[in-house]
Amino acid sequence: GAVVSQHPSRVICKSGTSVKIECRSLDFQATTMFWYRQFPKQSLMLMATSNEGSKATYEQGVEKDKFLINHASLTLSTLTVTSAHPEDSSFYICSALQGNEQYFGPGTRLTVT
Amino acid sequence: DAKTTQPTSMDCAEGRAANLPCNHSTISGNEYVYWYRQIHSQGPQYIIHGLKNNETNEMASLIITEDRKSSTLILPHATLRDTAVYYCIVRVSNTGKLIFGQGTTLQVKP
Repeated sequence: GAVVSQHPSRVICKSGTSVKIECRSLDFQATTMFWYRQFPKQSLMLMATSNEGSKATYEQGVEKDKFLINHASLTLSTLTVTSAHPEDSSFYICSALQGNEQYFGPGTRLTVT
Repeated sequence: DAKTTQPTSMDCAEGRAANLPCNHSTISGNEYVYWYRQIHSQGPQYIIHGLKNNETNEMASLIITEDRKSSTLILPHATLRDTAVYYCIVRVSNTGKLIFGQGTTLQVKP
């Protein structure tokens, strides 16, 4: 089946710094990828839709200037959390669309101290 | 996309069938029913999906009622590794977006 990877799997950063998370489709090309955030004991919340070669589409309430998304190639989308604060600590999960199906990455645990 | 309603939690004995219900009474004619599961601290895993016919694959069976207002995911022989949160999602196939509800936490017990 289709494989999606994320890097890093875990990251700790200091408050005020920025951190970049990569999402790669390993064995297929994905013009569309999605970014989710999940807080402890909660469900996944869709943050944005990442489209190759165009601007991302953000869900209501998600700050596009804080969560920068770049989808520069058919196999890579990046999410940059800018000026991170402790409340941004969360589990960030990406998925890639192949045909009509979404394949999820393993997630990235972000801790902001 | 239509909303879904699932029980918060369920228990199942190892080796027995696990039947997970989902209500989607406002589903539209072109919306599919998808099931994913998430094992702790991992990304969601696709299980199965269907439109109106019952579906079966190597992981599970999906039974959709004739009026399509509810469905049941069946894991025929649950194992301890099936302990996870199971999400029932309805969506239009060509939109791509998945909106997750709260899901059902399935605990398989020895």
